[in-house]
Amino acid sequence: EDQVTQSPEALRLQEGESSSLNCSYTVSGLRGLFWYRQDPGKGPEFLFTLYSAGEEKEKERLKATLTKKESFLHITAPKPEDSATYLCAVSDQGAQKLVFGQGTRLTINP
Amino acid sequence: DTAVSQTPKYLVTQMGNDKSIKCEQNLGHDTMYWYKQDSKKFLKIMFSYNNKELIINETVPNRFSPKSPDKAHLNLHINSLELGDSAVYFCASSQGAGLLNEQFFGPGTRLTVL
Repeated sequence: EDQVTQSPEALRLQEGESSSLNCSYTVSGLRGLFWYRQDPGKGPEFLFTLYSAGEEKEKERLKATLTKKESFLHITAPKPEDSATYLCAVSDQGAQKLVFGQGTRLTINP
Repeated sequence: DTAVSQTPKYLVTQMGNDKSIKCEQNLGHDTMYWYKQDSKKFLKIMFSYNNKELIINETVPNRFSPKSPDKAHLNLHINSLELGDSAVYFCASSQGAGLLNEQFFGPGTRLTVL
């Protein structure tokens, strides 16, 4: 069965302090790995899709990378508005569903 | 606004009652989903419909019955509500059932069963 584990569960940073969030996955044939952002009281908002090991994608202060076992979401010089829960999800070759991790709650202090 | 909308946003009800949550998308997508997010924030798929046809039905109690009257709507009816049904329910949509396209999520419905 597909599994997704995110770490840390919570991360508190100072504004401008760069860091990385981890998403480890076990899947039988990765079809895609997805990153979403979720603000309190709202639905998840799509950030990136990665399809194969070695792939990288960037959006503003965020950069997602993928290996055969894990993905990292690097956040460079974060701002308070980057505070949110970041969710990772995988889709495998056979299933027609996304399996989500439990998320990392990121807080950026001004 | 182009989006996925859900009603109601909050639903508080007694155990044993029957309730429905409605979802509509005006993005022109052909696939819609229901997810449940529990208190630990895990987001888990419940159902998926493609062109009004059920394609995913996870191990969800049969008290939960989705209905898709057309491609733009996917409603969720819950019979005989139990305490464990308390959660946030999200509707989502995407173009294509292959899951390679991003899913757009609604704002969620917080269900509290007393």
